[in-house]
Amino acid sequence: DGGITQSPKYLFRKEGQNVTLSCEQNLNHDAMYWYRQDPGQGLRLIYYSQIVNDFQKGDIAEGYSVSREKKESFPLTVTSAQKNPTAFYLCASSIGGSSSGFNEQFFGPGTRLTVL
Amino acid sequence: AQKVTQAQTEISVVEKEDVTLDCVYETRDTTYYLFWYKQPPSGELVFLIRRNSFDEQNEISGRYSWNFQKSTSSFNFTITASQVVDSAVYFCALSEAGGYSTLTFGKGTMLLVSP
Repeated sequence: DGGITQSPKYLFRKEGQNVTLSCEQNLNHDAMYWYRQDPGQGLRLIYYSQIVNDFQKGDIAEGYSVSREKKESFPLTVTSAQKNPTAFYLCASSIGGSSSGFNEQFFGPGTRLTVL
Repeated sequence: AQKVTQAQTEISVVEKEDVTLDCVYETRDTTYYLFWYKQPPSGELVFLIRRNSFDEQNEISGRYSWNFQKSTSSFNFTITASQVVDSAVYFCALSEAGGYSTLTFGKGTMLLVSP
């Protein structure tokens, strides 16, 4: 079945450590996105990528890094520079933009990161 | 700048009641897209509907219906005869037109349907 997978589902990290969250999609989508969700808050965009080997900062990119070496994969690294990393992280993908419209984003199951 | 406001933080209803979730948006664009997503307790967001700014027709899908009114910048979502399985957080989102525009989400409305 086509879809988006994120791993792990739960992740615990000690302060000062970097950690990488995985996101894989087999939908053949061009665009991929990372969002952060805090309790009672909407989703905030961290990074997004429109095409392989290219990505842009979102609204809250500080303390995060990404790579897009393959179309299917868009891993997110939460660095020690991120002051408050405990949150729920959601990855999404979409066919991509087009001159005729905007395509909906499809989401993975999320990773819940807790900093101890 | 774009903005989406979901003023209702939490709504509680009893099964079979109808419920409307409000969404008000702000944008300077004349062409834009509006979305609703459902987030059940499992956490994964589920796409419900996309509507572009040129299509003001209301839409009905089973027990779900959406009322888009450009005059009031609103895109409200109604669930008819609610069920316990409808309990979730619902997000309204907005995007500018074309290209690889990103989504701006509201803060969500938590709907609790009790038996």
